[in-house]
Amino acid sequence: DTEVTQTPKHLVMGMTNKKSLKCEQHMGHRAMYWYKQKAKKPPELMFVYSYEKLSINESVPSRFSPECPNSSLLNLHLHALQPEDSALYLCASSQDHGAYYGYTFGSGTRLTVV
Amino acid sequence: GESVGLHLPTLSVQEGDNSIINCAYSNSASDYFIWYKQESGKGPQFIIDIRSNMDKRQGQRVTVLLNKTVKHLSLQIAATQPGDSAVYFCAENFSGSARQLTFGSGTQLTVLP
Repeated sequence: DTEVTQTPKHLVMGMTNKKSLKCEQHMGHRAMYWYKQKAKKPPELMFVYSYEKLSINESVPSRFSPECPNSSLLNLHLHALQPEDSALYLCASSQDHGAYYGYTFGSGTRLTVV
Repeated sequence: GESVGLHLPTLSVQEGDNSIINCAYSNSASDYFIWYKQESGKGPQFIIDIRSNMDKRQGQRVTVLLNKTVKHLSLQIAATQPGDSAVYFCAENFSGSARQLTFGSGTQLTVLP
């Protein structure tokens, strides 16, 4: 298995809702990432997990809460989002964090906040 | 902060021609570079990478050139095909305790029939 799987593919949520994005990989990668991508813009790093521990938080608002239950799973919990949070949320993984490894990306979750 | 940037936001080429996509980076501590292809509705797809101790690396129909003197990276695609139409991002990864991948602004490549 050489894929990163993200669910759901599309999500519409109200500003008072609580939802979660899920990411899964079975490549044995020990680093996992959340990126946010607005239309016609490059992906922007949000969080880095290395060996199931949060190692980088790029000053992301607390309404985004990441979780890494185990080495194969990465969640992003969403609560009280704003319309400007609408974007493509990408999960990625790499063999390790801190070495010369390319990242494998999932297809993303297209999030719309209404 | 420092960031990776691209010279051209869009590039149109005839099918069968070669494509060259350019990228400038400003972080001299960057030691690993990756080119990604992103098709509409999909996540970025790894194309080719290069470490800073190299100046050229070839893959299947793709070549990446690195010029550290002027901090310039390019992606060459030979015999461009319609399936190559996508947005191409260069990304840099710099050494240090906070190693992370930073993306450039992207180039939209359109292959004309």
